[in-house]
Amino acid sequence: QKEVEQDPGPLSVPEGAIVSLNCTYSNSAFQYFMWYRQYSRKGPELLMYTYSSGNKEDGRFTAQVDKSSKYISLFIRDSQPSDSATYLCAMSGAGGSYIPTFGRGTSLIVHP
Amino acid sequence: EAQVTQNPRYLITVTGKKLTVTCSQNMNHEYMSWYRQDPGLGLRQIYYSMNVEVTDKGDVPEGYKVSRKEKRNFPLILESPSPNQTSLYFCASSSEGLPEETQYFGPGTRLLVL
Repeated sequence: QKEVEQDPGPLSVPEGAIVSLNCTYSNSAFQYFMWYRQYSRKGPELLMYTYSSGNKEDGRFTAQVDKSSKYISLFIRDSQPSDSATYLCAMSGAGGSYIPTFGRGTSLIVHP
Repeated sequence: EAQVTQNPRYLITVTGKKLTVTCSQNMNHEYMSWYRQDPGLGLRQIYYSMNVEVTDKGDVPEGYKVSRKEKRNFPLILESPSPNQTSLYFCASSSEGLPEETQYFGPGTRLLVL
């Protein structure tokens, strides 16, 4: 079992839909949780960062961490075609290490 | 403009022929790292550097070398490339390497080892 599991998709939704992206993980020692967005033929860019459990909101994006279930989510409200990209979850902090462990990414397609 | 540059962007080589992929950042960042991205496996860290002359192994360091002689540059060296090193490589930098910091990624280098 991989340390971080993420459904690769693709996930196809109509413009304006609420999108839910998820990752599960097995190492309960992770403390830092990140979401990256990667457009085709580009490097990833940090979208959201959360420390420990809880919610964090930034515009149309909300990140949730449930450490008891070892489950993290990214919600995108009012999705736009420009949100079409691959979304990577990442986590770190186990054993004091900042080396991130990435999920394999979920491909999201938002069609007009 | 703040950026991380990598060269070359695309490279085809043969098994055993030494190669270097360069990485440079213009943000005066202390922390730099190399990742490889493979289908179904996601991003995996190869090496990282906390500062000049300070480097350490990531999750998949075998077959790679790095050096950090200047703050802005962090080249990745494959002394004897093998086909299993065919991958998409990303260099990244951040101010201090803390999880909450934005990591700036380069555009990627696509390597094919025959």
